[in-house]
Amino acid sequence: ETGVTQSPTHLIKTRGQQVTLRCSSQSGHNTVSWYQQALGQGPQFIFQYYREEENGRGNFPPRFSGLQFPNYSSELNVNALELDDSALYLCASSHTGGLTEAFFGQGTRLTVV
Amino acid sequence: GQQVMQIPQYQHVQEGEDFTTYCNSSTTLSNIQWYKQRPGGHPVFLIQLVKSGEVKKQKRLTFQFGEAKKNSSLHITATQTTDVGTYFCAGLLHDYKLSFGAGTTVTVRA
Repeated sequence: ETGVTQSPTHLIKTRGQQVTLRCSSQSGHNTVSWYQQALGQGPQFIFQYYREEENGRGNFPPRFSGLQFPNYSSELNVNALELDDSALYLCASSHTGGLTEAFFGQGTRLTVV
Repeated sequence: GQQVMQIPQYQHVQEGEDFTTYCNSSTTLSNIQWYKQRPGGHPVFLIQLVKSGEVKKQKRLTFQFGEAKKNSSLHITATQTTDVGTYFCAGLLHDYKLSFGAGTTVTVRA
């Protein structure tokens, strides 16, 4: 086990709704990254938080937002859900960003209907 | 779109055979990492390569980083059923974004 936990594990939402996904990072890690993984695809970088500040963002619209808390846990918020948002959302914690290995949580499977 | 390209997308291997998966980037990478994801699971870190031309081995797995730090490969010898899964390369770009390839999904015929 990596020590990275995500909740919930599965979620079904209706188009237009909002969702919050949570991630507890591994002890000692100050960086959390969020990824979206569609079926049969590689993880797509959403954004990264380092010491409570966003320090990198992928090609995702502003309705994808996040937070990192003083204990380095993190949230991913998605507003105005679309059907294409259905995917596995992965959280990864690391020390000093991508310079070191990332430890992934088990993911949250989001289905938008 | 993906900045790191990975081929082949699928690899069907007879148990005991060797295979290689390749990863290419259009830009120079700070480092490259390899992950393995089992069906229904999450990516698990395998290795990180940092230096130009670096080669690392883990038992039957050999990882290489190209001289220009734009490509990488993973070679598996004597494939076993435990090697089943999807192998991803992930390149660290200059702005600290980790860009994943689409993965090579490996199935093994016993």
